Amino acid sequence: EAQVTQNPRYLITVTGKKLTVTCSQNMNHEYMSWYRQDPGLGLRQIYYSMNVEVTDKGDVPEGYKVSRKEKRNFPLILESPSPNQTSLYFCASWTGGYEQYFGPGTRLTVT
Amino acid sequence: LAKTTQPISMDSYEGQEVNITCSHNNIATNDYITWYQQFPSQGPRFIIQGYKTKVTNEVASLFIPADRKSSTLSLPRVSLSDTAVYYCLVGVLNRDDKIIFGKGTRLHILP
Repeated sequence: EAQVTQNPRYLITVTGKKLTVTCSQNMNHEYMSWYRQDPGLGLRQIYYSMNVEVTDKGDVPEGYKVSRKEKRNFPLILESPSPNQTSLYFCASWTGGYEQYFGPGTRLTVT
Repeated sequence: LAKTTQPISMDSYEGQEVNITCSHNNIATNDYITWYQQFPSQGPRFIIQGYKTKVTNEVASLFIPADRKSSTLSLPRVSLSDTAVYYCLVGVLNRDDKIIFGKGTRLHILP
């Protein structure tokens, strides 16, 4: 089944404790992206990747890192999480077209 | 991607046809118009995309006038399960550019 998976689905952590949210797709898509969603603000793009080893900043990259060492994986790294990064995170992938495939989301709480 | 403007929210009743309009005055020649649907706590799901005139699939229709400065998503005979947020995106997703979803239109279907 074609899908985007994210882990973990739920995470509660404390300020400053490094964490990684994994994203994996099995559709051989070139493009991948991370979004965060906050009430009243819609979906905002954090980082995106056009292919292996090629990444660029989205609208809200501050406080986040990404890497794309393999085509299927695009982890999101929070080196020193803060409470303002409490949010619902989505990973997406797509090929050279117009349809993005989204993961199920990761709900992160930073206390 | 081109900037888009949509109504923040809309209400309708079961069985009615719902039309959601998106304005995109700065659409470029190569841009396509894509609509996504998002249910609470789920990732957005692709509904329909088009370039000009009319596109129809099993879920919705998309009407695009000749000047392409706006588009209308039409949902026939809505049901309670169509209650969701609908996003309009304009652009070419395989262009190496960040993606802006915006806040979307919150559609509430009443019984």
